[in-house]
Formats: sequence, C-alpha cells, structure tokens
Amino acid sequence: KAGVTQTPRYLIKTRGQQVTLSCSPISGHRSVSWYQQTPGQGLQFLFEYFSETQRNKGNFPGRFSGRQFSNSRSEMNVSTLELGDSALYLCASSLGSGANNEQFFGPGTRLTVL
Amino acid sequence: AQSVTQPDIHITVSEGASLELRCNYSYGATPYLFWYVQSPGQGLQLLLKYFSGDTLVQGIKGFEAEFKRSQSSFNLRKPSVHWSDAAEYFCAVASNTGGFKTIFGAGTRLFVKA
Repeated sequence: KAGVTQTPRYLIKTRGQQVTLSCSPISGHRSVSWYQQTPGQGLQFLFEYFSETQRNKGNFPGRFSGRQFSNSRSEMNVSTLELGDSALYLCASSLGSGANNEQFFGPGTRLTVL
Repeated sequence: AQSVTQPDIHITVSEGASLELRCNYSYGATPYLFWYVQSPGQGLQLLLKYFSGDTLVQGIKGFEAEFKRSQSSFNLRKPSVHWSDAAEYFCAVASNTGGFKTIFGAGTRLFVKA
C-alpha cells in the first residue's frame, strides 16, 4: 500500500508570492491534517479535513488555507508569503477523524521563502 | 490547556547503553499518546501508541513506553541503543477537544556515540 505522498518535496519562493502544496493520503483514508515544523516553534497544527470539510483549524493567520477533494487529496495554500513561513510542511492521513485514529505522515514539503 | 513537555532537548548515549526519553502531558480527558521518530529531512514515523489497557506498550525497533496516569508521563525506553537510533523523537497527545488535532512536544534529539 502506498504511503502518504507530498508534492513538491522542495520549493523556493520569494516574499509576497503564494504557494500551493499537495498531499495524497493513503488509499481509503478520509482525514488529512497539516502541520508546520520550524526550529523555533516545533510542530504546530494547521488544519484538519475530513470528507471535504475543514473540521479544525490551528492558530494561524488567514493567509493559510486548505481544501480537500472528493478523492481525499488535499492542498494547502499560503498567500503573501513571509520569511517566517519557511518551514517543513507535513501532511498526515488517517482512516477517520478523531484522536483514536493513527496518523500516517508524509515526507513533507520543505518551503524556503527568500 | 493541552500540552506536551519533553524536558530534554538533546541526549547522548553510548551504543549498547539503555535509553529513556521523558515526556509529560497535560490533558483533561483520557489521553491518546504517541511517540514518533524523525530522521533528518524526513517525515514522522510512529514508534508506538497508547489508547487504553496495558500501561506498558511495545513498539517497533525495540522501543517501549509506559503510561503513568498519576505522573502524567509517557516515557520512552529502549534497553540497548543502536547507532541507527540517532534521530529526533517526539511525544504527542491527540485531542478531540475543539476538534481533532495532535499536539507535539518540542522533541528530543538523540545522539549515539560509538
């Protein structure tokens, strides 16, 4: 069974631009969560989608948004990039939505903002 | 508020020595607890999880963890460390409060010396 895939793996953007990251969950998984990992703040929850609906959102500005498609694939978008958005963005999928569901993580997308 | 504390930023152990990584959590309800490992530039791999039942849980790669409700702890142990165990380790609690999300500790970087 294929794992969680994220594209692209690496991305370089400049301040003010926008970026879209993609996540394909494990087949059959309906929940996708996104996390931002930085050396200073560690791993922080961005949002969770289940059956195309955003179920929960972390404490991030509105520049961060996401969506989920009917095949459970998810995208997250960051508009008006800032230097502080440089991070590893991790996607995780699980069968269901809820704390008792094991999450499987993708390799991440490394975003560098210059 | 829910939180996870990993008091050790980094730990160095000799190959073959035993290992214990500490984790304390703050969570009002029954916690769903996890330990993940992350190699440089990679995503997170689940080592083990505790949902309920036996408080000593076995995981992959020879790791185990013990849940102690009275101490709000979920420490990770391994009897004999291998050089390949050098990585960063994250303790996490999954929460349904306000919506499903996973809260991570700051991580402990493990160095293994020959």
